[in-house]
Amino acid sequence: NAGVTQTPKFRILKIGQSMTLQCTQDMNHNYMYWYRQDPGMGLKLIYYSVGAGITDKGEVPNGYNVSRSTTEDFPLRLELAAPSQTSVYFCASRQGARYNEQFFGPGTRLTVL
Amino acid sequence: DQQVKQNSPSLSVQEGRISILNCDYTNSMFDYFLWYKKYPAEGPTFLISISSIKDKNEDGRFTVFLNKSAKHLSLHIVPSQPGDSAVYFCAATPYNNNDMRFGAGTRLTVKP
Repeated sequence: NAGVTQTPKFRILKIGQSMTLQCTQDMNHNYMYWYRQDPGMGLKLIYYSVGAGITDKGEVPNGYNVSRSTTEDFPLRLELAAPSQTSVYFCASRQGARYNEQFFGPGTRLTVL
Repeated sequence: DQQVKQNSPSLSVQEGRISILNCDYTNSMFDYFLWYKKYPAEGPTFLISISSIKDKNEDGRFTVFLNKSAKHLSLHIVPSQPGDSAVYFCAATPYNNNDMRFGAGTRLTVKP
């Protein structure tokens, strides 16, 4: 049982490039989340999903897109990378219903130059 | 707007003593509060939580206190151990809601 896995661990992008951050969970959780954490700040919610085929915006969705075709996977897409998207990205999942605790992946450190 | 605030960026305590980490919130709709612990290069891990119907929740060395009238919660670690050295995030959410808000974190250092 690996929990929540994220790839890649690190990535450097040039301005205007695109990439997809991968997230997979093997706990059969319905709810999945993407956060970003900037230095000295708390985590901010980018997008979330309550089940396959259902996604919704969080606090800071601009510049990102998501999809959820399976319960296990929740990729985050950056279409036109900008320096403001330099951050550490965390994916999380939770069981749902009465369980509010989220389980986090190890993070992807992204630098846009 | 920062709805969850941790005003102490860092805290240093001696091994065996009590660590008290504080958190304030502004949104009255928050119904459920959580503490997460984060080591470098890892994702946050859930530590302890409390719902708004309680004012205290204990789990081993960790106790969370909630003061709804003051919109304040605190995490007590007794006794503190060097392995507790990490960044601690306070988080809050309306119950069963997906919009969880996090504080900026407090870096706890426990000295042997």
